[in-house]
Amino acid sequence: TQLLEQSPQFLSIQEGENLTVYCNSSSVFSSLQWYRQEPGEGPVLLVTVVTGGEVKKLKRLTFQFGDARKDSSLHITAAQPGDTGLYLCAGVVGYGGSQGNLIFGKGTKLSVKP
Amino acid sequence: EPEVTQTPSHQVTQMGQEVILRCVPISNHLYFYWYRQILGQKVEFLVSFYNNEISEKSEIFDDQFSVERPDGSNFTLKIRSTKLEDSAMYFCASSRQGYTDTQYFGPGTRLTVL
Repeated sequence: TQLLEQSPQFLSIQEGENLTVYCNSSSVFSSLQWYRQEPGEGPVLLVTVVTGGEVKKLKRLTFQFGDARKDSSLHITAAQPGDTGLYLCAGVVGYGGSQGNLIFGKGTKLSVKP
Repeated sequence: EPEVTQTPSHQVTQMGQEVILRCVPISNHLYFYWYRQILGQKVEFLVSFYNNEISEKSEIFDDQFSVERPDGSNFTLKIRSTKLEDSAMYFCASSRQGYTDTQYFGPGTRLTVL
């Protein structure tokens, strides 16, 4: 069974601080996706990382895929209250010819206080 | 922007009753998925569907569950005889291609089994 462990589970910080969320597994994933989920809504994709060692930036958010494609991190610089939400990592299972089902981590609930 | 829609947003049913959850995937997408999220827990894969048949299913997707694409636009999840533990948010997702292509999630249906 493939599992994704996310840490920390909860994070409460002040506006302007930096933070990092980690997503770890003992399994290799073909790619890894980060989602943000608001209460009562479905997950919304932020980024997909595919290549080991890949780094992607989305404004103040930096995503990195581990060299071995088993782990990933999300770093937010100068967090703002608008960043508050649940961040989910999801590993894509399968390779060419398969469906690409997602294995989700439990999520990190981020609260940024003004 | 095209989006996945789901109806109803909230379904309340008695234990043992059948429920059908409906989804309208994005129109040019070919791959369809159902996930569920029990309150406070992680999003879990249920089933994937392509070319009018199930591609993969998880251990959760037992004989009580079935999926169907009854016409060119709808994708349904049926639970034949609901149990208390089926209470959860059910998310439909679709992607244009399988395997690493972005899965777009609907807003979810909250199922409450009494």
